[in-house]
Amino acid sequence: GQNIDQPTEMTATEGAIVQINCTYQTSGFNGLFWYQQHAGEAPTFLSYNVLDGLEEKGRFSSFLSRSKGYSYLLLKELQMKDSASYLCAVLDSNYQLIWGAGTKLIIKP
Amino acid sequence: DGGITQSPKYLFRKEGQNVTLSCEQNLNHDAMYWYRQDPGQGLRLIYYSQIVNDFQKGDIAEGYSVSREKKESFPLTVTSAQKNPTAFYLCASSIVTDLTGELFFGEGSRLTVL
Repeated sequence: GQNIDQPTEMTATEGAIVQINCTYQTSGFNGLFWYQQHAGEAPTFLSYNVLDGLEEKGRFSSFLSRSKGYSYLLLKELQMKDSASYLCAVLDSNYQLIWGAGTKLIIKP
Repeated sequence: DGGITQSPKYLFRKEGQNVTLSCEQNLNHDAMYWYRQDPGQGLRLIYYSQIVNDFQKGDIAEGYSVSREKKESFPLTVTSAQKNPTAFYLCASSIVTDLTGELFFGEGSRLTVL
């Protein structure tokens, strides 16, 4: 079966750095997405990785290793507004999106 | 401003009733999707449409129906056949039909069955 694993919840301190991991086992691979979702709101797109390596976008970076079936989202200089759930999703060989359950990130002052 | 509008935001339904959730987009996107989100689970695809007058079942289509008569609109009907309809429903659209691009989501509709 296809599976996406993310930690259920993480806690970090304002101003610090946090890394949210995502491991996947899917039928093929056509890219990996990260979305941010504040409670009760719509998910918003953060990143899309299809090649190995690190992509940086401001305070957020996303890393992919296809050989390891692994990605992480790195958030720097954490702000209180970063408190949200972070969703990892993989596009499989049939171009179907497989979603992880999300990681709830709690930022403390 | 371009975007996706879902309505209503909150909806209560009695058992045995059908309800229809509205989804309208003015992004000129060909592809539209309906997802269901439950606590502790990933988003699950209900239906999707890549072109007007055509739609496909997703992973959990049973108890749901859709139509795509206009490019802008993709309403979802939750029928009485859906055994556990209480959930957060998200509509989305994308420019590309192969999902390699960003999904744009509506604000969601929270359905509660009483």
